[in-house]
Amino acid sequence: GDSVTQMEGPVTLSEEAFLTINCTYTATGYPSLFWYVQYPGEGLQLLLKATKADDKGSNKGFEATYRKETTSFHLEKGSVQVSDSAVYFCALSSGEYSSASKIIFGSGTRLSIRP
Amino acid sequence: GAVVSQHPSRVICKSGTSVKIECRSLDFQATTMFWYRQFPKKSLMLMATSNEGSKATYEQGVEKDKFLINHASLTLSTLTVTSAHPEDSSFYICSARENYKEFFGPGTRLTVL
Repeated sequence: GDSVTQMEGPVTLSEEAFLTINCTYTATGYPSLFWYVQYPGEGLQLLLKATKADDKGSNKGFEATYRKETTSFHLEKGSVQVSDSAVYFCALSSGEYSSASKIIFGSGTRLSIRP
Repeated sequence: GAVVSQHPSRVICKSGTSVKIECRSLDFQATTMFWYRQFPKKSLMLMATSNEGSKATYEQGVEKDKFLINHASLTLSTLTVTSAHPEDSSFYICSARENYKEFFGPGTRLTVL
């Protein structure tokens, strides 16, 4: 079945460092891909998404490109801040995303940024 | 943006009792809500899809008689863990979608003693 694999954490970086969190997926068809973020004490929030190959999702300085050839959707940010400390989840939605589509999550990567 | 709430945020109960968790969409109507379970350092696992006015759709391996889901209105879905046991201890998260965007509740930490 469909699945998502992301790098294990925790990841600890200094402020202003470059961030990459790897994510690869296995899916039949053409899934939509997502990155969700969970800040301490809060619910998951959609960070960015891409719905087709070569699409780039971006938000709050974060970017991820849908790479069909490598089945990857790596999350990157050029200069992280302390406020980016959170748990990041890579996810996919099988087939065309609709109001009833199932979302499959990776295991999450905890990111901690040192001042 | 849309908000989804859960109540309670944390519950501790004795083995054998039943626990009800509420999930509400506060400013939009949701015909479909989702219930997830999250184990420590693990991903969210979809348990079931809650459909307003009809039976929930459970994922393979999830006992529907143990995890009762009721979606009685367009803003409320409830998950009842019946005859809870320590292995049911987990973090339960609900979500609802509006205009194809998914909004998650803050989660409910269940501890069964």
